[in-house]
Amino acid sequence: AQSVTQLDSQVPVFEEAPVELRCNYSSSVSVYLFWYVQYPNQGLQLLLKYLSGSTLVKGINGFEAEFNKSQTSFHLRKPSVHISDTAEYFCAVTVRGGGNKLTFGTGTQLKVEL
Amino acid sequence: DTGVSQNPRHKITKRGQNVTFRCDPISEHNRLYWYRQTLGQGPEFLTYFQNEAQLEKSRLLSDRFSAERPKGSFSTLEIQRTEQGDSAMYLCASSLSHEQFFGPGTRLTVL
Repeated sequence: AQSVTQLDSQVPVFEEAPVELRCNYSSSVSVYLFWYVQYPNQGLQLLLKYLSGSTLVKGINGFEAEFNKSQTSFHLRKPSVHISDTAEYFCAVTVRGGGNKLTFGTGTQLKVEL
Repeated sequence: DTGVSQNPRHKITKRGQNVTFRCDPISEHNRLYWYRQTLGQGPEFLTYFQNEAQLEKSRLLSDRFSAERPKGSFSTLEIQRTEQGDSAMYLCASSLSHEQFFGPGTRLTVL
């Protein structure tokens, strides 16, 4: 079985500062990796995904993430955050060749302050 | 593409009552998933369908829970004899390949 660890439950950051949200996963087989964002009282929106190829993936809203197989990590970064980035961010994995069910981390609340 | 829709958005019920939620996926998507999300946690997988076939169920899905996707289009999730521990956000997602598109969810409160 696979699992996802998001060590930071909350990350406060000032507007225009860079941010990194950490994600580590565990799996005995190859996985696909995703980052989703959830705004209050809304569903999940896909930010970016890693399926194969280049380990640096770019997503929407200026976010990017880097897949590191040796460290089993998929950290999310943004060079300059905006107030509107305040939301809950979830890292998720799914097994390659499986039914694509997602296993999520517990989430990181990003709070952008002025 | 109108996205994934879920109804109702909110449901308040008394313990012991039955509830049913509906999910309408994106029209051409053949896979449909149900997840449950409790406060402060990430979504947890409940079950998924490929077309009308229910291919996998989580151990979280007790006998009180049943899901159907009768014609491979919309899906329903029924909870019988609700308990306070069933209070959560129930999320539906659909996909054609690796990317899942989520609906806004149904928030269930069991009093």
